[in-house]
Amino acid sequence: AQSVTQLGSHVSVSEGALVLLRCNYSSSVPPYLFWYVQYPNQGLQLLLKYTTGATLVKGINGFEAEFKKSETSFHLTKPSAHMSDAAEYFCAVSASTYKYIFGTGTRLKVLA
Amino acid sequence: DGGITQSPKYLFRKEGQNVTLSCEQNLNHDAMYWYRQDPGQGLRLIYYSQIVNDFQKGDIAEGYSVSREKKESFPLTVTSAQKNPTAFYLCASSIEVATAAFFGQGTRLTVV
Repeated sequence: AQSVTQLGSHVSVSEGALVLLRCNYSSSVPPYLFWYVQYPNQGLQLLLKYTTGATLVKGINGFEAEFKKSETSFHLTKPSAHMSDAAEYFCAVSASTYKYIFGTGTRLKVLA
Repeated sequence: DGGITQSPKYLFRKEGQNVTLSCEQNLNHDAMYWYRQDPGQGLRLIYYSQIVNDFQKGDIAEGYSVSREKKESFPLTVTSAQKNPTAFYLCASSIEVATAAFFGQGTRLTVV
């Protein structure tokens, strides 16, 4: 069985500060990992994904994430937060099936 | 442009009525999904379909039904048996799990 845990349902950072959103996963097989962003009353947009290969993955809008198998983690980071980054972020895992398992989300607030 | 279209964006129904949410994609994706989103609970899988004329129950299928008669279309019916149907419903599609899922803009259903 697979599962995803996002630590912190709400995270606040100052504009220009580092953004760190935490995601830990559980999977009995090599996982595929994803981060999505959702703005109010909209669908989810893919930020980045890890399938195989390089463990540091770069995505859109300056975000990146590092796959750490030993820690079963896939934390999302951005060096400098912008007001437009305020949104809800979802980590997701999938493996050999056509099912994606989502975390409960982290709402990011950016303070001026 | 390719994408996923959900309609309508907002839907109001009286309690006890069945309602059908539309989802159409022109991405030529084989797999399609329906998720329900409630505040603080992330996304929960209702139904998914890997190919035409085949679909499987997700984690919360009770009170819902789907059909997949065409590759492009995966409508979701919320029946009167669904105890708490008010929610945000998201449709998604994918080629396969490693390529990530693309989402529509969602339908917000309110039952009064």
